[in-house]
Amino acid sequence: DTAVSQTPKYLVTQMGNDKSIKCEQNLGHDTMYWYKQDSKKFLKIMFSYNNKELIINETVPNRFSPKSPDKAHLNLHINSLELGDSAVYFCASSQVAKSSYNEQFFGPGTRLTVL
Amino acid sequence: AQSVTQLDSHVSVSEGTPVLLRCNYSSSYSPSLFWYVQHPNKGLQLLLKYTSAATLVKGINGFEAEFKKSETSFHLTKPSAHMSDAAEYFCVVGNNNDMRFGAGTRLTVKP
Repeated sequence: DTAVSQTPKYLVTQMGNDKSIKCEQNLGHDTMYWYKQDSKKFLKIMFSYNNKELIINETVPNRFSPKSPDKAHLNLHINSLELGDSAVYFCASSQVAKSSYNEQFFGPGTRLTVL
Repeated sequence: AQSVTQLDSHVSVSEGTPVLLRCNYSSSYSPSLFWYVQHPNKGLQLLLKYTSAATLVKGINGFEAEFKKSETSFHLTKPSAHMSDAAEYFCVVGNNNDMRFGAGTRLTVKP
């Protein structure tokens, strides 16, 4: 069974459109994340959700909004897509750290191309 | 605050020779440190992790890393490179669900 899954794997869309990327984890983790990886392979955290509460929100445009219907899902909605949004988006999950250990498990990524 | 610096953006080795990927970290408290690998067009896979146990950490595929507090380093090594090791490697410092990724080191393995 896939631990962290994302859909779709590839997404090609026009500028100005609204799109969503879905993420599901079956590991029983209670924290989920979204990362953006640009063309230079730099990974930047966008959001994390812990028990349905947003606990990290980096300087991300408000066109991006995470939605978590339950602990196993964290979807990413993007409004008014721009060319600069083209990237690979990774979902990840981890168990809430009771100590410093907080290994994250990553999904396969969604390659978003905005034309 | 914490951060991580990968000292080389690109490392090229010949097959069968040692691999050294360098990473320095900064953390105001005792960190957890990780190395992840990303093969072309693939997701990230955990290679190994340090969580304040043994300072020499062994990971998958023959990789290991040594935590050196005095040098604030966590370099990744492998005695003998394989062609299949060609990938992007990320050093990560994390604590309380705040994970900071390095910029990545691209490893090329020549036949």
